[in-house]
Amino acid sequence: NAGVTQTPKFRVLKTGQSMTLLCAQDMNHEYMYWYRQDPGMGLRLIHYSVGEGTTAKGEVPDGYNVSRLKKQNFLLGLESAAPSQTSVYFCASRAEEGFRYGYTFGSGTRLTVV
Amino acid sequence: TQLLEQSPQFLSIQEGENLTVYCNSSSVFSSLQWYRQEPGEGPVLLVTVVTGGEVKKLKRLTFQFGDARKDSSLHITAAQPGDTGLYLCAGAPGNQFYFGTGTSLTVIP
Repeated sequence: NAGVTQTPKFRVLKTGQSMTLLCAQDMNHEYMYWYRQDPGMGLRLIHYSVGEGTTAKGEVPDGYNVSRLKKQNFLLGLESAAPSQTSVYFCASRAEEGFRYGYTFGSGTRLTVV
Repeated sequence: TQLLEQSPQFLSIQEGENLTVYCNSSSVFSSLQWYRQEPGEGPVLLVTVVTGGEVKKLKRLTFQFGDARKDSSLHITAAQPGDTGLYLCAGAPGNQFYFGTGTSLTVIP
């Protein structure tokens, strides 16, 4: 099994450009998440989804949009990139939402906005 | 303000040494998880602890959940270069987890 696959792995954007990060999971998980990881800040939740067709805001949602049109895919969009969005983005999934269940993470997308 | 504080932030030790890293909070958690993250990769789940005072062992790694369910420790015995990585704790006050900033461990051969 591939688990959670993120594309692309690296991207450089100019301020104001848009892009979409793709996350695909093959574990039939209901719950999917987008995090960003910054030095000294840890992993912070951007948006998440509790099932196909649903999305919800996390801790730092401003400047991002998401869509979950298919159960296996979770897309993260940046409409107008800003330097503050330079970060490493991780997608994660898990089978259940309860506190006993861990996350399976992708290998990340390193985004630089210049 | 971080919900979870991890210490130390950085740790560099020689192969064969023992070490303990800590994860502390003023909040009570339903459960606490530990992850290891290698450079260029995503975090990988090591363990989930749910009962106050619970101790779990994974080969040379020992995880303990505090009696009051506010803190946790990770002890590594006879560290090896393969243990190098960022160790993250994550606590769930409810069903959603919050991550600490991590302890970056380097084990020197």
